[in-house]
Amino acid sequence: DQQVKQNSPSLSVQEGRISILNCDYTNSMFDYFLWYKKYPAEGPTFLISISSIKDKNEDGRFTVFLNKSAKHLSLHIVPSQPGDSAVYFCAAGNFGNEKLTFGTGTRLTIIP
Amino acid sequence: DAGITQSPRHKVTETGTPVTLRCHQTENHRYMYWYRQDPGHGLRLIHYSYGVKDTDKGEVSDGYSVSRSKTEDFLLTLESATSSQTSVYFCAISVGGPGELFFGEGSRLTVL
Repeated sequence: DQQVKQNSPSLSVQEGRISILNCDYTNSMFDYFLWYKKYPAEGPTFLISISSIKDKNEDGRFTVFLNKSAKHLSLHIVPSQPGDSAVYFCAAGNFGNEKLTFGTGTRLTIIP
Repeated sequence: DAGITQSPRHKVTETGTPVTLRCHQTENHRYMYWYRQDPGHGLRLIHYSYGVKDTDKGEVSDGYSVSRSKTEDFLLTLESATSSQTSVYFCAISVGGPGELFFGEGSRLTVL
């Protein structure tokens, strides 16, 4: 049972435009959510997180939105840059339980 | 800064042979994790450790065992490798806020 889902395996966006990556989850008890970015032949790196008590968190060009009623998480990248081309994983977890559940990933390609 | 060294980085082995992957951290982070990454499955937790000799199973632990005899080292063992265990294995440590993991560069294992 996939508790965290990324239904778009890939996404292509023109440089300078907004990239929107989506993530859905089924467990309403998750306490926090995160986005990780992964380049080929490297380990994933933490990008941004949001607590379940918030609906938005912003860090520079990256903003994460949380819609708890829809059990939906999204990552907005504005403006998109060629270096943003990578695979993005969303993840979710619970306080007191050190195990994260990851989505299957979305490959973002920024077109120059 | 947190540092992780995974070894070996690449390994090709035959079905039925034992394999051990090593993860070494340069600091004294309590939590360490082993994940595998496969196309269409994202990152899945195999085992994790919350201290010396303290380990627990993740969602895909069958066929794997772990050991942590020192804070800095977390070993993942495949007692008898199978082709389904061909994957990229990532070690991670818990740093910063909830769910924030720092990943190693990965170990690519091919089981023929």
